[in-house]
Amino acid sequence: AQSVTQLDSQVPVFEEAPVELRCNYSSSVSVYLFWYVQYPNQGLQLLLKYLSGSTLVKGINGFEAEFNKSQTSFHLRKPSVHISDTAEYFCAVILTGGGNKLTFGTGTQLKVEL
Amino acid sequence: SAVISQKPSRDICQRGTSLTIQCQVDSQVTMMFWYRQQPGQSLTLIATANQGSEATYESGFVIDKFPISRPNLTFSTLTVSNMSPEDSSIYLCSVGNRGAYNEQFFGPGTRLTVL
Repeated sequence: AQSVTQLDSQVPVFEEAPVELRCNYSSSVSVYLFWYVQYPNQGLQLLLKYLSGSTLVKGINGFEAEFNKSQTSFHLRKPSVHISDTAEYFCAVILTGGGNKLTFGTGTQLKVEL
Repeated sequence: SAVISQKPSRDICQRGTSLTIQCQVDSQVTMMFWYRQQPGQSLTLIATANQGSEATYESGFVIDKFPISRPNLTFSTLTVSNMSPEDSSIYLCSVGNRGAYNEQFFGPGTRLTVL
């Protein structure tokens, strides 16, 4: 079975500073990888996804993530955060050819401070 | 993308009662899912809602506790039966279409508090 680990439950950062949210996964087969964002009292919104091809993927709101197969990681980065980026971020995987079930990590609370 | 609405957006219920949550999407979709997000936790898949047949439940979830209906390709309901305080969670509906991968779109969620 696959699993997703988000090593940091909370990440505080000052506005305009860079940030990296870490995500590692374990799976015996290839996976598709996703990052979702959940703003307070809202549903989840897709930030970006990796399906195949270039290992660096760019998403909305200036976020990007890099797929590293050897390290089974898919870390999310943003070079300069804004106060509006304060939210919960979830990493998730789907097994290729294994149906459509999303397995989520435990989430990372990003808190941007002035 | 799809526009998904859920009703109610939140509710406070007494233990032992049941609540039915509705999920409506603005276009036909092949896949509909129900997730639970307990306070401070991640999302856990409850079941896949299958149109015209019984839902497919994940380990730890049973039909008697979480009956699901899906009468057509744009609508589904999840009932939380015989509620206890442990059922206090956010319940989210998501939708997608069958394909090489399934990008899921999520509804805004239903925040349930059981007293």
